[in-house]
Amino acid sequence: GAGVSQSPSNKVTEKGKDVELRCDPISGHTALYWYRQSLGQGLEFLIYFQGNSAPDKSGLPSDRFSAERTGGSVSTLTIQRTQQEDSAVYLCASSPGQGVWNEQFFGPGTRLTVL
Amino acid sequence: AQKVTQAQTEISVVEKEDVTLDCVYETRDTTYYLFWYKQPPSGELVFLIRRNSFDEQNEISGRYSWNFQKSTSSFNFTITASQVVDSAVYFCALSPYGQNFVFGPGTRLSVLP
Repeated sequence: GAGVSQSPSNKVTEKGKDVELRCDPISGHTALYWYRQSLGQGLEFLIYFQGNSAPDKSGLPSDRFSAERTGGSVSTLTIQRTQQEDSAVYLCASSPGQGVWNEQFFGPGTRLTVL
Repeated sequence: AQKVTQAQTEISVVEKEDVTLDCVYETRDTTYYLFWYKQPPSGELVFLIRRNSFDEQNEISGRYSWNFQKSTSSFNFTITASQVVDSAVYFCALSPYGQNFVFGPGTRLSVLP
């Protein structure tokens, strides 16, 4: 597809379980971002990948959150031992070239609900 | 510290009215970029505009216009002759050079027919 895709679109899980969220960026985009958007709130930066450089993890809220990007393409955001406050829409974006000033193309998001 | 403030949480206008969405930012960087994104009810964010800190020229794109004023650290967005399809949440964002995006809390715009 031409755009950023994310899967699953919806995920319901029980407190304490681990979840994995997937992001397929636009082909050729070297930068990839994860954000979290809680209900009615703005976007909270989580992590940023740029090419083969070490990711910027400064936005991850706790050590229960981790992300990886394999082969400079697909990324997986993992949340361990989920808590109810993790419930949110998780958005992925990709960007061409280097530099965070480039336009970001967003995926549709994964809505995570922790019961 | 970087910060973006969008003081208007929600705005309602009647179709064909003009509306301005405010954005005030804080940064100590001299080089930075400002953005506006639209999030329609479908949920997917759509890029509207990017401005760098050295270009204070206002920009007009159809019914949309942006007013960037460094003196007041503002980057306001005006929709002229609003339409129902403009109903969305609008986010202003700041990207200081070499750092990541800071988004404002968003302004929910409702355009009533």
